[in-house]
Amino acid sequence: GAGVSQSPRYKVAKRGQDVALRCDPISGHVSLFWYQQALGQGPEFLTYFQNEAQLDKSGLPSDRFFAERPEGSVSTLKIQRTQQEDSAVYLCASSLGGGGGPADTQYFGPGTRLTVL
Amino acid sequence: AQSVSQHNHHVILSEAASLELGCNYSYGGTVNLFWYVQYPGQHLQLLLKYFSGDPLVKGIKGFEAEFIKSKFSFNLRKPSVQWSDTAEYFCAVNAYDYKLSFGAGTTVTVRA
Repeated sequence: GAGVSQSPRYKVAKRGQDVALRCDPISGHVSLFWYQQALGQGPEFLTYFQNEAQLDKSGLPSDRFFAERPEGSVSTLKIQRTQQEDSAVYLCASSLGGGGGPADTQYFGPGTRLTVL
Repeated sequence: AQSVSQHNHHVILSEAASLELGCNYSYGGTVNLFWYVQYPGQHLQLLLKYFSGDPLVKGIKGFEAEFIKSKFSFNLRKPSVQWSDTAEYFCAVNAYDYKLSFGAGTTVTVRA
């Protein structure tokens, strides 16, 4: 596709429910990132994949958050036992290469707005 | 870890006015710098980026930014704004790694 796509665009969950958020990166992009954007704030890094390898998960807020990218393309961010503080927009981004060089501009998807009641 | 601060939370101006948004970062090493824009109802889009070379960077839609290393700044400018520039603007930095650190964003409202 032409850009990064995410689904669902909106998700409402009751506290305690598990949710799964999907990201389809730009075809051929090696790197994939997840960010969390709270209301009125800039995005904050959650985790990073290079192909299927999760190289950095230092931004995941707790062990209730889990991300995978088993075949090096589509990625899923899973949140178990959701809490109200998990309410945010979850952004996915992809880049052609990996490592912070000129080829590594990150292109963002539209995000999934998660509301936990 | 690097941090990014954007000086203005909300800027309101009239069409044809000039715009300057401040961005400062805290990191002593080599950095890559970005400005992203989010128009109402749309996703984050790259406006411009700086990796090396000429510190004055030109981006899309008439925007430019100047990297001043001694001031740890990367301010965004546009000489004459249009109503369609109404959006939220984010400054972002990455350093030795791939993680983008974002500022809190500046909402720009342009009155017709």
